[in-house]
Amino acid sequence: KAGVTQTPRYLIKTRGQQVTLSCSPISGHRSVSWYQQTPGQGLQFLFEYFSETQRNKGNFPGRFSGRQFSNSRSEMNVSTLELGDSALYLCASSLRGMDTNEKLFFGSGTQLSVL
Amino acid sequence: QKEVEQNSGPLSVPEGAIASLNCTYSDRVSQSFFWYRQYSGKSPELIMSIYSNGDKEDGRFTAQLNKASQYVSLLIRDSQPSDSATYLCAVSSGYALNFGKGTSLLVTP
Repeated sequence: KAGVTQTPRYLIKTRGQQVTLSCSPISGHRSVSWYQQTPGQGLQFLFEYFSETQRNKGNFPGRFSGRQFSNSRSEMNVSTLELGDSALYLCASSLRGMDTNEKLFFGSGTQLSVL
Repeated sequence: QKEVEQNSGPLSVPEGAIASLNCTYSDRVSQSFFWYRQYSGKSPELIMSIYSNGDKEDGRFTAQLNKASQYVSLLIRDSQPSDSATYLCAVSSGYALNFGKGTSLLVTP
């Protein structure tokens, strides 16, 4: 069974640009979550989607948005990039979401560098 | 603010010893607790999950949960150099996981 797939693996952008990251969950998983990882703040929750609906959102500005498609694939978008957005963005999937004692599996991540 | 606290380390143990990693959390309603291992430059890998008080063993790993004390721990027996990594404690909160910042473990030959 294929794992969580994230593309692209690396991205370099400049301040003010926008970026879209893609995530394909494990087959059969309907919940997709996004996390940001930085050396200073660690892993921080961005948002979670289930059946195309955002069920939970972390404490990030509105420049960070996401969506989920009917096939459970998800994208996240960051607009008006800032230097502080440089981070590893991790997508994770589970069958139904973390409220049901499930396990969360991570993709390899997208390393975003903002210059 | 729901917090998960871990000692950042580094925790250094000799090969073959027991490594003990600890985590405390603030959200009393949390029901699911996890330990992830993350090698440098890689994504987190789930190694243990625990949902009820007590111990749960899986190979060389034992997770311990005490909800009254809001405390989770991970023991690694017969530590190997390949266990050298950052260990992340994660606690469920709604549809998300709250992560600690991780404990760096170094197993020396």
